[in-house]
Amino acid sequence: QQQVKQSPQSLIVQKGGISIINCAYENTAFDYFPWYQQFPGKGPALLIAIRPDVSEKKEGRFTISFNKSAKQFSLHIMDSQPGDSATYFCAARRSSNTGKLIFGQGTTLQVKP
Amino acid sequence: DAGITQSPRHKVTETGTPVTLRCHQTENHRYMYWYRQDPGHGLRLIHYSYGVKDTDKGEVSDGYSVSRSKTEDFLLTLESATSSQTSVYFCAISGRGPPYEQYFGPGTRLTVT
Repeated sequence: QQQVKQSPQSLIVQKGGISIINCAYENTAFDYFPWYQQFPGKGPALLIAIRPDVSEKKEGRFTISFNKSAKQFSLHIMDSQPGDSATYFCAARRSSNTGKLIFGQGTTLQVKP
Repeated sequence: DAGITQSPRHKVTETGTPVTLRCHQTENHRYMYWYRQDPGHGLRLIHYSYGVKDTDKGEVSDGYSVSRSKTEDFLLTLESATSSQTSVYFCAISGRGPPYEQYFGPGTRLTVT
């Protein structure tokens, strides 16, 4: 019930293409779903986040799509660039103020020039 | 890295020795977290703190202890390091107020030989 399952494990996309990473969860008590981007040798950085009362959130080339009934959410990277090559993690948090996050396993994205 | 430093950044130690990792923040945030990152597992919560001297266990707390005597410092101790504790350790802090976004430090790479 506490798991967040992320797929695919790795992804190769051509420059200009769309990168799509999917996550699924079981616990309906989760109320906050962030995505983190991590470059080699660095800590994860918050990229974009969504709450379950909206179905989509867009920030620049990054969009989260959220399907509450299916308990799934996904990250779409439009016009993918080589600089987007990184590891991406989805996460979920139960409704509480301690902020404890449950992370997916991560997706390594490579954008080829 | 949102005013978070971790020390040391790299450490090699032998099995059975005690190890202490330090996380220092300059943001005066209430919540602090220790995660470990391993391939195929994403980030997993070890311990967290919701105030000075207030700590609680995460999902992978066995073999680890923590202390927080000041708002700005959160220490993670491996009482007797084992090879299974070879990992990259990240500290995170949680922002003031909802949605309590988490920001991560640069990480400590620990190798136990």
